[in-house]
Amino acid sequence: DAKTTQPPSMDCAEGRAANLPCNHSTISGNEYVYWYRQIHSQGPQYIIHGLKNNETNEMASLIITEDRKSSTLILPHATLRDTAVYYCIVRGSTGNQFYFGTGTSLTVIP
Amino acid sequence: SAVISQKPSRDICQRGTSLTIQCQVDSQVTMMFWYRQQPGQSLTLIATANQGSEATYESGFVIDKFPISRPNLTFSTLTVSNMSPEDSSIYLCSVLQGSDTQYFGPGTRLTVL
Repeated sequence: DAKTTQPPSMDCAEGRAANLPCNHSTISGNEYVYWYRQIHSQGPQYIIHGLKNNETNEMASLIITEDRKSSTLILPHATLRDTAVYYCIVRGSTGNQFYFGTGTSLTVIP
Repeated sequence: SAVISQKPSRDICQRGTSLTIQCQVDSQVTMMFWYRQQPGQSLTLIATANQGSEATYESGFVIDKFPISRPNLTFSTLTVSNMSPEDSSIYLCSVLQGSDTQYFGPGTRLTVL
Protein backbone atom coordinates (compact mmCIF):
# COMPACT_ATOMS: atom_id res chain seq x y z
CA ASP A 1 0.00 0.00 0.00
CA ALA A 2 1.22 3.48 -0.88
CA LYS A 3 2.47 5.67 1.93
CA THR A 4 1.45 9.27 2.31
CA THR A 5 3.39 12.35 3.36
CA GLN A 6 1.72 15.38 4.90
CA PRO A 7 3.04 18.53 6.59
CA PRO A 8 2.77 18.10 10.36
CA SER A 9 0.92 21.36 10.94
CA MET A 10 -0.75 24.30 9.20
CA ASP A 11 -2.60 27.44 10.16
CA CYS A 12 -5.48 29.04 8.31
CA ALA A 13 -7.42 32.24 8.94
CA GLU A 14 -11.10 31.84 9.67
CA GLY A 15 -13.19 32.34 6.53
CA ARG A 16 -10.33 31.64 4.17
CA ALA A 17 -9.79 28.48 2.17
CA ALA A 18 -7.65 25.81 3.81
CA ASN A 19 -5.53 23.84 1.34
CA LEU A 20 -4.04 20.67 2.80
CA PRO A 21 -1.47 18.88 0.62
CA CYS A 22 -0.64 15.19 0.53
CA ASN A 23 2.06 13.34 -1.39
CA HIS A 24 1.51 9.73 -2.40
CA SER A 25 4.15 9.25 -5.06
CA THR A 26 4.03 5.43 -4.99
CA ILE A 27 0.28 5.16 -5.52
CA SER A 28 -0.81 2.58 -8.03
CA GLY A 29 -3.46 2.96 -10.67
CA ASN A 30 -6.40 1.47 -8.80
CA GLU A 31 -5.75 2.86 -5.33
CA TYR A 32 -8.11 5.47 -3.96
CA VAL A 33 -7.17 8.54 -1.92
CA TYR A 34 -9.24 9.13 1.22
CA TRP A 35 -9.37 12.04 3.63
CA TYR A 36 -10.50 11.86 7.25
CA ARG A 37 -10.27 14.29 10.11
CA GLN A 38 -10.11 13.77 13.85
CA ILE A 39 -11.29 16.44 16.23
CA HIS A 40 -9.69 16.25 19.66
CA SER A 41 -9.50 12.46 20.09
CA GLN A 42 -12.98 11.76 18.78
CA GLY A 43 -13.38 9.02 16.19
CA PRO A 44 -12.11 10.01 12.75
CA GLN A 45 -14.72 11.55 10.48
CA TYR A 46 -14.90 10.69 6.80
CA ILE A 47 -14.54 13.71 4.51
CA ILE A 48 -14.11 12.65 0.90
CA HIS A 49 -12.36 10.22 -1.41
CA GLY A 50 -11.40 9.93 -5.06
CA LEU A 51 -9.52 7.92 -7.66
CA LYS A 52 -8.38 10.34 -10.34
CA ASN A 53 -11.09 12.88 -10.96
CA ASN A 54 -11.57 15.88 -8.73
CA GLU A 55 -14.37 15.42 -6.23
CA THR A 56 -16.57 17.82 -4.28
CA ASN A 57 -19.12 17.33 -1.54
CA GLU A 58 -20.74 19.48 1.11
CA MET A 59 -17.66 19.39 3.28
CA ALA A 60 -14.72 19.79 0.93
CA SER A 61 -13.12 19.43 -2.48
CA LEU A 62 -10.43 16.96 -3.43
CA ILE A 63 -7.99 17.84 -6.18
CA ILE A 64 -5.84 14.98 -7.48
CA THR A 65 -2.96 15.75 -9.83
CA GLU A 66 -2.97 14.18 -13.26
CA ASP A 67 -0.10 11.84 -12.38
CA ARG A 68 -1.92 10.98 -9.11
CA LYS A 69 1.23 11.43 -7.07
CA SER A 70 -0.27 14.13 -4.92
CA SER A 71 -3.58 15.59 -3.88
CA THR A 72 -5.00 18.60 -2.05
CA LEU A 73 -7.96 18.77 0.26
CA ILE A 74 -9.70 22.13 0.14
CA LEU A 75 -11.97 23.44 2.87
CA PRO A 76 -13.48 26.43 1.06
CA HIS A 77 -14.36 28.61 4.06
CA ALA A 78 -12.60 27.38 7.16
CA THR A 79 -14.31 27.84 10.52
CA LEU A 80 -12.98 27.38 14.03
CA ARG A 81 -14.73 24.00 14.15
CA ASP A 82 -12.51 22.79 11.32
CA THR A 83 -9.53 22.76 13.70
CA ALA A 84 -8.53 19.08 13.67
CA VAL A 85 -5.94 16.58 12.52
CA TYR A 86 -6.48 15.73 8.84
CA TYR A 87 -5.38 12.34 7.54
CA CYS A 88 -4.70 11.48 3.92
CA ILE A 89 -4.91 7.73 3.31
CA VAL A 90 -4.30 5.60 0.28
CA ARG A 91 -6.55 2.61 0.39
CA GLY A 92 -4.84 -0.57 -0.72
CA SER A 93 -6.07 -2.29 -3.81
CA THR A 94 -5.77 -5.71 -2.21
CA GLY A 95 -8.10 -5.15 0.69
CA ASN A 96 -10.23 -2.79 2.71
CA GLN A 97 -7.70 -1.92 5.37
CA PHE A 98 -6.80 1.74 5.89
CA TYR A 99 -3.31 2.61 7.10
CA PHE A 100 -3.10 6.03 8.70
CA GLY A 101 -0.08 8.29 8.39
CA THR A 102 0.84 11.05 10.80
CA GLY A 103 -1.63 13.61 9.43
CA THR A 104 -1.68 17.43 9.41
CA SER A 105 -2.80 19.36 12.45
CA LEU A 106 -4.84 22.27 11.09
CA THR A 107 -5.46 25.24 13.34
CA VAL A 108 -8.05 27.77 12.19
CA ILE A 109 -7.24 31.17 13.63
CA PRO A 110 -9.94 33.77 14.40
CA SER B 1 -23.71 6.57 7.39
CA ALA B 2 -23.81 3.83 10.03
CA VAL B 3 -24.24 4.80 13.67
CA ILE B 4 -21.57 3.14 15.78
CA SER B 5 -21.43 2.99 19.55
CA GLN B 6 -18.71 1.72 21.85
CA LYS B 7 -18.81 0.64 25.46
CA PRO B 8 -17.29 1.66 27.74
CA SER B 9 -16.44 5.17 26.62
CA ARG B 10 -13.54 5.22 29.07
CA ASP B 11 -12.09 3.10 31.83
CA ILE B 12 -9.24 3.04 34.30
CA CYS B 13 -7.84 -0.41 34.95
CA GLN B 14 -5.16 -2.05 37.03
CA ARG B 15 -2.21 -3.73 35.39
CA GLY B 16 -2.57 -7.45 34.87
CA THR B 17 -6.34 -7.28 34.36
CA SER B 18 -8.33 -7.51 31.11
CA LEU B 19 -10.94 -5.25 29.57
CA THR B 20 -13.49 -6.09 26.91
CA ILE B 21 -14.63 -3.29 24.63
CA GLN B 22 -17.89 -3.59 22.74
CA CYS B 23 -18.73 -2.15 19.34
CA GLN B 24 -22.34 -2.02 18.16
CA VAL B 25 -23.54 -0.88 14.72
CA ASP B 26 -27.10 0.06 13.86
CA SER B 27 -27.06 -1.87 10.56
CA GLN B 28 -25.47 -5.01 9.19
CA VAL B 29 -21.98 -4.47 7.82
CA THR B 30 -19.60 -6.78 6.06
CA MET B 31 -16.36 -5.72 7.68
CA MET B 32 -15.39 -4.35 11.08
CA PHE B 33 -11.96 -3.19 12.19
CA TRP B 34 -10.20 -2.36 15.45
CA TYR B 35 -7.61 0.38 15.82
CA ARG B 36 -5.39 1.65 18.60
CA GLN B 37 -4.34 5.25 19.05
CA GLN B 38 -1.59 5.75 21.59
CA PRO B 39 -1.26 9.18 23.22
CA GLY B 40 -0.26 11.82 20.69
CA GLN B 41 0.00 9.28 17.89
CA SER B 42 -1.90 8.35 14.76
CA LEU B 43 -4.19 5.35 14.42
CA THR B 44 -2.74 1.87 14.08
CA LEU B 45 -4.81 -0.98 12.70
CA ILE B 46 -4.94 -3.91 15.11
CA ALA B 47 -7.09 -6.39 13.20
CA THR B 48 -10.00 -7.04 10.91
CA ALA B 49 -12.92 -8.70 12.70
CA ASN B 50 -14.35 -11.38 10.43
CA GLN B 51 -17.87 -12.64 10.99
CA GLY B 52 -17.90 -16.37 11.57
CA SER B 53 -14.14 -16.81 11.51
CA GLU B 54 -11.01 -15.72 13.34
CA ALA B 55 -9.88 -12.15 13.15
CA THR B 56 -7.01 -11.19 10.86
CA TYR B 57 -4.25 -9.49 12.84
CA GLU B 58 -1.75 -6.93 11.63
CA SER B 59 1.94 -7.32 12.20
CA GLY B 60 2.82 -6.71 15.84
CA PHE B 61 -0.58 -7.72 17.22
CA VAL B 62 -1.46 -11.22 18.43
CA ILE B 63 -4.65 -13.00 19.34
CA ASP B 64 -3.52 -13.86 22.87
CA LYS B 65 -3.15 -10.18 23.70
CA PHE B 66 -6.11 -8.82 21.70
CA PRO B 67 -8.75 -11.53 21.29
CA ILE B 68 -11.62 -10.41 19.07
CA SER B 69 -15.11 -11.77 18.63
CA ARG B 70 -17.58 -11.07 15.83
CA PRO B 71 -20.71 -13.11 16.56
CA ASN B 72 -22.93 -11.35 14.01
CA LEU B 73 -22.99 -8.60 11.41
CA THR B 74 -23.68 -5.77 13.87
CA PHE B 75 -21.46 -6.49 16.86
CA SER B 76 -17.84 -7.09 17.78
CA THR B 77 -15.70 -7.11 20.91
CA LEU B 78 -12.02 -6.47 21.49
CA THR B 79 -10.38 -7.66 24.70
CA VAL B 80 -7.15 -6.12 25.92
CA SER B 81 -5.57 -8.87 28.01
CA ASN B 82 -3.05 -8.78 30.84
CA MET B 83 -2.84 -5.02 30.60
CA SER B 84 0.21 -2.90 31.25
CA PRO B 85 0.54 0.90 31.28
CA GLU B 86 1.79 0.70 27.68
CA ASP B 87 -1.72 -0.38 26.68
CA SER B 88 -3.10 3.01 27.69
CA SER B 89 -4.65 4.23 24.44
CA ILE B 90 -7.85 5.05 22.67
CA TYR B 91 -9.33 1.97 21.05
CA LEU B 92 -11.59 2.55 18.05
CA CYS B 93 -13.77 0.31 16.00
CA SER B 94 -14.78 1.06 12.45
CA VAL B 95 -17.08 -0.47 9.89
CA LEU B 96 -16.98 -0.69 6.15
CA GLN B 97 -20.22 0.59 4.71
CA GLY B 98 -21.05 -0.10 1.12
CA SER B 99 -17.86 -1.20 -0.55
CA ASP B 100 -15.55 1.66 0.01
CA THR B 101 -15.84 3.89 3.07
CA GLN B 102 -14.98 3.26 6.71
CA TYR B 103 -16.90 4.93 9.51
CA PHE B 104 -15.53 5.10 13.02
CA GLY B 105 -16.99 4.78 16.46
CA PRO B 106 -16.36 7.37 19.19
CA GLY B 107 -13.56 5.38 20.78
CA THR B 108 -12.82 3.90 24.21
CA ARG B 109 -10.22 5.73 26.26
CA LEU B 110 -8.28 3.24 28.37
CA THR B 111 -5.89 4.15 31.16
CA VAL B 112 -3.87 1.38 32.79
CA LEU B 113 -2.30 2.10 36.18
